Formats: sequence, C-alpha cells, structure tokens
Amino acid sequence: EAAVTQSPRNKVAVTGGKVTLSCNQTNNHNNMYWYRQDTGHGLRLIHYSYGAGSTEKGDIPDGYKASRPSQENFSLILELATPSQTSVYFCASGLGGLQNTLYFGAGTRLSVL
Amino acid sequence: SQLAEENLWALSVHEGESVTVNCSYKTSITALQWYRQKSGEGPAQLILIRSNEREKRNGRLRATLDTSSQSSSLSITATRCEDTAVYFCATSNTGANTGKLTFGHGTILRVHP
Repeated sequence: EAAVTQSPRNKVAVTGGKVTLSCNQTNNHNNMYWYRQDTGHGLRLIHYSYGAGSTEKGDIPDGYKASRPSQENFSLILELATPSQTSVYFCASGLGGLQNTLYFGAGTRLSVL
Repeated sequence: SQLAEENLWALSVHEGESVTVNCSYKTSITALQWYRQKSGEGPAQLILIRSNEREKRNGRLRATLDTSSQSSSLSITATRCEDTAVYFCATSNTGANTGKLTFGHGTILRVHP
C-alpha cells in the first residue's frame, strides 16, 4: 500500500544542535511538502519540492533547509535548532496542479530544549 | 492573517446528531478541500470541491461552496464517536500551480456517546 513514512516519530534536540527529519513516499508523486502544526496556527508550509533535486521555499522557511535527493525522499534540516522550532512536523506528497490532494505522514513530534 | 479559516475553534455534539463546520477564505480559489485529522495521525482528505461546484457528497459528509461569499461548509449527519477529530479546510489558489494548499487553523469536533 502506497504511503508516506516519517522518521523519527519523536525527537528531543538541544538548542543549537542539528536536526534532520526524514520522509519517504511510495506514492510515486512528484511533489512533496513539509508543514509544521502548532496550536492556533493550523498547518503552515515550510518547504516543498517538485521532484528530485528541487526545493522551494514555502510560507515560513526561515531556520529550515530542505533536501530532495530522490523521488521518494525529502528531508527537513534544522542546522541550528531553537526552542521556537518545537512543533509537530508533517510531510506530505501529491501530484501537484491546481486541485492537488495531499497525502500526509503520521508526523514527527520535535522538542528543542 | 490566515487565507482560509474555520469559523469555530471547537464543537461538541452527541452521537447521532448532525453538525456543520464552516470555513471562510480570502482569495480566489480553484478548489477547496476538507481534511480530517484524528489524534496521533496526519490529516486525510475527506472531500475536494472545485470552484465551479456548489455541493459534493461523500457518504455521511456533505460539503458546500459559495464563491460569492467565499465560504464553505462541511456537514456530518448521524455522527459517531469515531468522527471525533480536527477538521480543516484548505484552499488551492488560482495563479499558483504549485500544488500548495493553505490550511485553516482547524475546528475540534468532539462527539460524545
């Protein structure tokens, strides 16, 4: 069954440390997305990608980098983690286009202490 | 401010009752989608309604779209305890063929036995 898998599911990091969140999809979708979810803000787009080798800035990219080494994998990188980046992060894949359906992973809960 | 947002933060109903979640948006759209997120899971699409459609059904779910008032509603009939979740509306905006979705903050629905 096609799916979006995120790892790790939970992560505790120290302020100033480097954090990498990974996402793998077997949907064969060109587009992949990273969102963060915080109470009162819903889901906000951090970075997205149209395919291997491409990354684009979303609405709140500051403090984050992304990497898309292959069709299946999309990583979110926090080079210098800060407590304000404590959140739940969701990866999603989709075919793209003006009526795009997103398929989400189960999320990664990140705490930066 | 949010480009799409649900009108209420939380709703509570008893099993068997009907409930409606409302959403308003601020830009011209190509489609509006409703997603449901159960505890510990990522969001999952319930209904996609295109800008030239006024109503869409999926089992016990009914979505409406009014482009003149830039609003949408999601109605659930004969609610069940398993309908307890956060419900999001999300929009795809015209002129942006990126597949990006803008999500509202979500409405928490609790269905009590």
